[in-house]
Amino acid sequence: KQEVTQIPAALSVPEGENLVLNCSFTDSAIYNLQWFRQDPGKGLTSLLLIQSSQREQTSGRLNASLDKSSGRSTLYIAASQPGDSATYLCAAADDKIIFGKGTRLHILP
Amino acid sequence: GAVVSQHPSRVICKSGTSVKIECRSLDFQATTMFWYRQFPKQSLMLMATSNEGSKATYEQGVEKDKFLINHASLTLSTLTVTSAHPEDSSFYICSALAGGPYNEQFFGPGTRLTVL
Repeated sequence: KQEVTQIPAALSVPEGENLVLNCSFTDSAIYNLQWFRQDPGKGLTSLLLIQSSQREQTSGRLNASLDKSSGRSTLYIAASQPGDSATYLCAAADDKIIFGKGTRLHILP
Repeated sequence: GAVVSQHPSRVICKSGTSVKIECRSLDFQATTMFWYRQFPKQSLMLMATSNEGSKATYEQGVEKDKFLINHASLTLSTLTVTSAHPEDSSFYICSALAGGPYNEQFFGPGTRLTVL
């Protein structure tokens, strides 16, 4: 049974810093891994999708990596801004989509 | 933690029929639920926000007359795919907001719809 874990559960960093969010999954037989952003009371916004055959994806200041063999993915946020404050979720997809519990990120102005 | 169920988990139907998918919060009340859809090799995308007692809010590009959402109680939201066609075949997943200080979102296990 697939389990997805995100560490840390919460993170506060000063504005401008680069940061890394971690996601681990127990079953490497996934189709893809996705990273989402969740703002309070809102639905998920898709950030990056990494297919199982890929190792990373980049969008603007965001870079996500995937290492299937070790069951890990990271989301790198460069030059963080207060607007990046949100909860970030990763999800591993095989026949179903299994979500982590998220990392609550707070960027301090 | 809070549990969200979906029914059915899989459904196969003929083109032109309508399919109803239920999303239930089992141990908490949710005034807001969300419906998502994922096509193969694509990202999970938000379709609509379901609010108890009011009309759903649909994302751009999602046909409200085709995807009927009813949030009749604080524990149940339904998504009806009307006159389904093969291009509607997808993985549909719902989530519910549990309130509280973080207003955490809990996800259902998803429904795989195949339209023949």
